[in-house]
Amino acid sequence: DAGITQSPRHKVTETGTPVTLRCHQTENHRYMYWYRQDPGHGLRLIHYSYGVKDTDKGEVSDGYSVSRSKTEDFLLTLESATSSQTSVYFCAILGQGTTEAFFGQGTRLTVV
Amino acid sequence: SQKIEQNSEALNIQEGKTATLTCNYTNYSPAYLQWYRQDPGRGPVFLLLIRENEKEKRKERLKVTFDTTLKQSLFHITASQPADSATYLCALPGDSSYKLIFGSGTRLLVRP
Repeated sequence: DAGITQSPRHKVTETGTPVTLRCHQTENHRYMYWYRQDPGHGLRLIHYSYGVKDTDKGEVSDGYSVSRSKTEDFLLTLESATSSQTSVYFCAILGQGTTEAFFGQGTRLTVV
Repeated sequence: SQKIEQNSEALNIQEGKTATLTCNYTNYSPAYLQWYRQDPGRGPVFLLLIRENEKEKRKERLKVTFDTTLKQSLFHITASQPADSATYLCALPGDSSYKLIFGSGTRLLVRP
């Protein structure tokens, strides 16, 4: 599983509250990603990081922010959760020296 | 705009037959293309990568072709088995080599 852990695995939150999802990796990989997956849309890239404090936007970044203060942790924050952000969120890393992505187990987020 | 298209309808085939899945893309010039398998409730798992200068790649019962003129990749599973039932996603680099963008996936069902 390439040493990727997502937390929490499940969360229910209320509209308007802030939410932070955490992705932790144990193998010093440089590239980390946050995707969301919804029926009919597949995996959509939210943000990605290419190093500590280096991040860039993906296809669906509005309403999300990220931070990477150390190599092993990539945090995804929903500043004010909305029902449209109900989704399954996947973290991924790129294997060392490859473009092969390894995914975490996913976080199911429900905004009510 | 950039687009990756996979057939949203499930492919339903008999065990032993060859499954062929399609990935079409527009407004990309990818240096490579990847295929992943995703089982329900799990993150995608990398299967194969094919580079732009490769016409075909094989791995056991899997075969991938890449036609940069047609902007299309075909993914074949020969002698299909019920255990091959899953969703298959194609992925390619976006406007950066490490910005991995996914198609929406095609669900494959293999009947015993």
